[in-house]
Amino acid sequence: DAGITQSPRHKVTETGTPVTLRCHQTENHRYMYWYRQDPGHGLRLIHYSYGVKDTDKGEVSDGYSVSRSKTEDFLLTLESATSSQTSVYFCAISRDRGPNGNQPQHFGDGTRLSIL
Amino acid sequence: AQSVTQLDSQVPVFEEAPVELRCNYSSSVSVYLFWYVQYPNQGLQLLLKYLSGSTLVKGINGFEAEFNKSQTSFHLRKPSVHISDTAEYFCAVSEASGNTGKLIFGQGTTLQVKP
Repeated sequence: DAGITQSPRHKVTETGTPVTLRCHQTENHRYMYWYRQDPGHGLRLIHYSYGVKDTDKGEVSDGYSVSRSKTEDFLLTLESATSSQTSVYFCAISRDRGPNGNQPQHFGDGTRLSIL
Repeated sequence: AQSVTQLDSQVPVFEEAPVELRCNYSSSVSVYLFWYVQYPNQGLQLLLKYLSGSTLVKGINGFEAEFNKSQTSFHLRKPSVHISDTAEYFCAVSEASGNTGKLIFGQGTTLQVKP
């Protein structure tokens, strides 16, 4: 299994509080991604990173921010959590593009976040 | 922009029967295609991928998929399923010329294998 650790694995918090989720990798991969998984929607990309301090928005980035100060860590922050952000959050990593094209993504085990 | 449609939200099947999980995509550019499997309370695991070359792709656990460019499909098949194949399956695409590797996922298909 790819060396990806998400923390915490479960969190319950209240509306309006800030929340930070951490993704830690030991593979030295260039790309890191944050997705949310909701029933009927599959996984949707929130933000991604293509290097240290290089990040960009995905399709559902409103209300989220990210930071990557080291290759191995990618943080997802909910500045002021809302009930609509209750979801399961997955981190993924992938290597740099190879001669045969994009490399597949490898996923962490997820963080289940409940916002009351 | 790309989009992915998985045509069945749930597929019930008896053990040792064949199964096909359907995936159609839409894109104005060339794409790479992936199938992932998610077991309960776990992350996603790559089953197989199509990047180029042969349109019939073999993956892990006896699964295979066929890329059909004219029908913009990438259906997943297995000739004989086991109880342990019960899981959720996701089809995903990424832009072939892009260098970010961003994935667009379908909504998922739950495969329920019955004894």
